[in-house]
Amino acid sequence: AQRVTQPEKLLSVFKGAPVELKCNYSYSGSPELFWYVQYSRQRLQLLLRHISRESIKGFTADLNKGETSFHLKKPFAQEEDSAMYYCALRTGANNLFFGTGTRLTVIP
Amino acid sequence: DAGVTQSPTHLIKTRGQQVTLRCSPKSGHDTVSWYQQALGQGPQFIFQYYEEEERQRGNFPDRFSGHQFPNYSSELNVNALLLGDSALYLCASSPFGGGTNTGELFFGEGSRLTVL
Repeated sequence: AQRVTQPEKLLSVFKGAPVELKCNYSYSGSPELFWYVQYSRQRLQLLLRHISRESIKGFTADLNKGETSFHLKKPFAQEEDSAMYYCALRTGANNLFFGTGTRLTVIP
Repeated sequence: DAGVTQSPTHLIKTRGQQVTLRCSPKSGHDTVSWYQQALGQGPQFIFQYYEEEERQRGNFPDRFSGHQFPNYSSELNVNALLLGDSALYLCASSPFGGGTNTGELFFGEGSRLTVL
């Protein structure tokens, strides 16, 4: 069975500090991982996907199959990064298995 | 484009009642998925509809059923409501793509169901 673990429910960092949101997964198939974000009073939306290997809003995430991890990183946190972040594993054509989420607060 | 729209936004029911939630997908999308998000949890996959058929289903009892209409809109029905069904119900749409799509889901704002 699949599993997505986000060990931190809450994470606070100061503005300008590096931030890392952890995600570990367990999946028998070939993993495809995503990070979704929900800003205050907005709907859940895609932040980035590992296949694209892109940087979005300064965030990057590398899939580490050996450690079964997909941690989200940003070198310098901004106040507008405060949000709820969900790591998700694709388990079907259009289906995602979500972790429990990490609430990031960036302190001015 | 209004994106994914859901109705109602909030509703209160009592145990044993039945509820119907509605979803209109983003323009150009033909696949609708439903998720349940309990307080403090991530969204959990209920089922997915494509071409008016249920294509995949998560670990939810038969009390949860759905329907997709020819215009791609969808309904989620829950019978014999339990207190534990209280949650935010999210609808997400995407183009099907036969598994070759990007995997990106577009979410609605959700319907918050409270069961008393």
